[in-house]
Amino acid sequence: AQTVTQSQPEMSVQEAETVTLSCTYDTSESNYYLFWYKQPPSRQMILVIRQEAYKQQNATENRFSVNFQKAAKSFSLKISDSQLGDTAMYFCAFMKSAGTYKYIFGTGTRLKVLA
Amino acid sequence: NAGVTQTPKFRVLKTGQSMTLLCAQDMNHEYMYWYRQDPGMGLRLIHYSVGEGTTAKGEVPDGYNVSRLKKQNFLLGLESAAPSQTSVYFCASSYGLSSYNSPLHFGNGTRLTVT
Repeated sequence: AQTVTQSQPEMSVQEAETVTLSCTYDTSESNYYLFWYKQPPSRQMILVIRQEAYKQQNATENRFSVNFQKAAKSFSLKISDSQLGDTAMYFCAFMKSAGTYKYIFGTGTRLKVLA
Repeated sequence: NAGVTQTPKFRVLKTGQSMTLLCAQDMNHEYMYWYRQDPGMGLRLIHYSVGEGTTAKGEVPDGYNVSRLKKQNFLLGLESAAPSQTSVYFCASSYGLSSYNSPLHFGNGTRLTVT
């Protein structure tokens, strides 16, 4: 069975600084999808960034980028130029590319951006 | 666009009472999911549906039932509420399984308290 581990329950970063959130996963699959979701205090879950395992190039969305290390089964999220609006809970999620429709979520990292 | 709409937003039940949570999506998505979110445990899948008229069990299905009579609606029922079902419930939907259309779209959640 697949598992997703986020080892940092809480983190903080100064505004305009860079922070990296870690995520590791365990799977025997060769192809799969990985996601980072953001949950601000409003509770609405929002997709931040996604990565397909067969693509070696790391995904980037504006200030958000990932460091995808397939061999190490690591999928960390880097937030550059942190803004107060980045304060949220961040969840890493895994999904197999076939045979299942289920997403496996990590337990989340609560990020606080300090003014 | 409404996206994914959950009703109600808050509810308090007494042990043994029943209730139904409604999820509606207007994106013509095939797949719909019910998750519960508990502190320190991330999101856990309760039930999901891969199309109208179909449902399947997730990680924590006990004590819940679901129905998907119409493609746009996915109902979650609690027949006899228990304090252990106190949680925040999220409905989500997705169009398909490719990386492009597999990201989940979430509702705003329902906070349920069972006393």
